[in-house]
Amino acid sequence: GESVGLHLPTLSVQEGDNSIINCAYSNSASDYFIWYKQESGKGPQFIIDIRSNMDKRQGQRVTVLLNKTVKHLSLQIAATQPGDSAVYFCAEMDTGRRALTFGSGTRLQVQP
Amino acid sequence: DGGITQSPKYLFRKEGQNVTLSCEQNLNHDAMYWYRQDPGQGLRLIYYSQIVNDFQKGDIAEGYSVSREKKESFPLTVTSAQKNPTAFYLCASSPRAAVNYGYTFGSGTRLTVV
Repeated sequence: GESVGLHLPTLSVQEGDNSIINCAYSNSASDYFIWYKQESGKGPQFIIDIRSNMDKRQGQRVTVLLNKTVKHLSLQIAATQPGDSAVYFCAEMDTGRRALTFGSGTRLQVQP
Repeated sequence: DGGITQSPKYLFRKEGQNVTLSCEQNLNHDAMYWYRQDPGQGLRLIYYSQIVNDFQKGDIAEGYSVSREKKESFPLTVTSAQKNPTAFYLCASSPRAAVNYGYTFGSGTRLTVV
């Protein structure tokens, strides 16, 4: 039968507020990290990436922060909009096999 | 338009049947990947291929098989040996496996055992 999935952690914010989504990664040798957005029933969409020789990268309304000391990645979304409601995944590049390993995801709910 | 196409969008399988999920890309990408997603969970790597005629097992390859005879195509067969195949299957591609690029994903195939 179908497996029962774990409940995703959920972040609920008001429209216009800033959102911060956190991710702990597992492999200290990972050298490349990506944030993806996934809407219900669709494939993940690329948001922003960062290489391990950086600690911050900014895009349009989004910022990714990387703390290699504690193996932590965060995604900041400025002025969150209802269209930002989705599940967000972080992913790390396995330097050995060169394939992305994904975290378990965080659901972002934006209240109008 | 360049992109990655998965078909069918929905697929129903009877117990004991093999089914094949299609993944085609016209992005001229060398590397292709198959992931499985269960409800409320992240993506788990099934198989990946860095170049034509070559592929490697991911973390959950048991009960699945793939082929990579053409650069554009990376079909996934879910065999009867896969005991719990009901899931959302995602195919992705990237320009080259050895270089850090984000993946482009297809829109997925939802497989249900009936």
